[in-house]
Amino acid sequence: AQTVTQSQPEMSVQEAETVTLSCTYDTSESNYYLFWYKQPPSRQMILVIRQEAYKQQNATENRFSVNFQKAAKSFSLKISDSQLGDTAMYFCAHNAGGTSYGKLTFGQGTILTVHP
Amino acid sequence: DAGVTQSPTHLIKTRGQHVTLRCSPISGHKSVSWYQQVLGQGPQFIFQYYEKEERGRGNFPDRFSARQFPNYSSELNVNALLLGDSALYLCASSPQARYGYTFGSGTRLTVV
Repeated sequence: AQTVTQSQPEMSVQEAETVTLSCTYDTSESNYYLFWYKQPPSRQMILVIRQEAYKQQNATENRFSVNFQKAAKSFSLKISDSQLGDTAMYFCAHNAGGTSYGKLTFGQGTILTVHP
Repeated sequence: DAGVTQSPTHLIKTRGQHVTLRCSPISGHKSVSWYQQVLGQGPQFIFQYYEKEERGRGNFPDRFSARQFPNYSSELNVNALLLGDSALYLCASSPQARYGYTFGSGTRLTVV
């Protein structure tokens, strides 16, 4: 069974600074997919960035980038130039792909607060 | 393009009642998954349906059931509601795993 662990319950950062959220996972699959989701107070779950495990290059989406360390089973999210609108709960999620491709396993979440 | 739509947005039910939640995926997405999210926790997987067949089930009691229709929309049914069923129920759809999952806004269920 897959497990996802986010060891930082809460993080805070000043506007325009950089912050990194940590995530580790456990899986027996050789190919899989990893995601970071953002959930603001509205509770709408928004996909921030995705990574395919067989791709060694780290994914980047504008101010968001990941550090994917497959051997260490680590998948951290870096937010550059933090903005007030980045304040939200962030979830790391794993999907094994294949016939179970609809099943996401989520971590416990990290509450990120961006201060002006 | 319309995203994933869920109805109703809010619902209050009494213990022991039955509830049906509905989800319409993004056009072209054949896979629909359901999740339960208790406040302050990550979503928990309940069901996945693909082409009207159940492809996965999470660790939920038999009071939870679902189905997918020919137009790929889906229903989640919960019988004999308990107070602990109070949660946000999220539906997600995807064309393929590599593209990620788009979530609806959820149905907030309160059981009193």
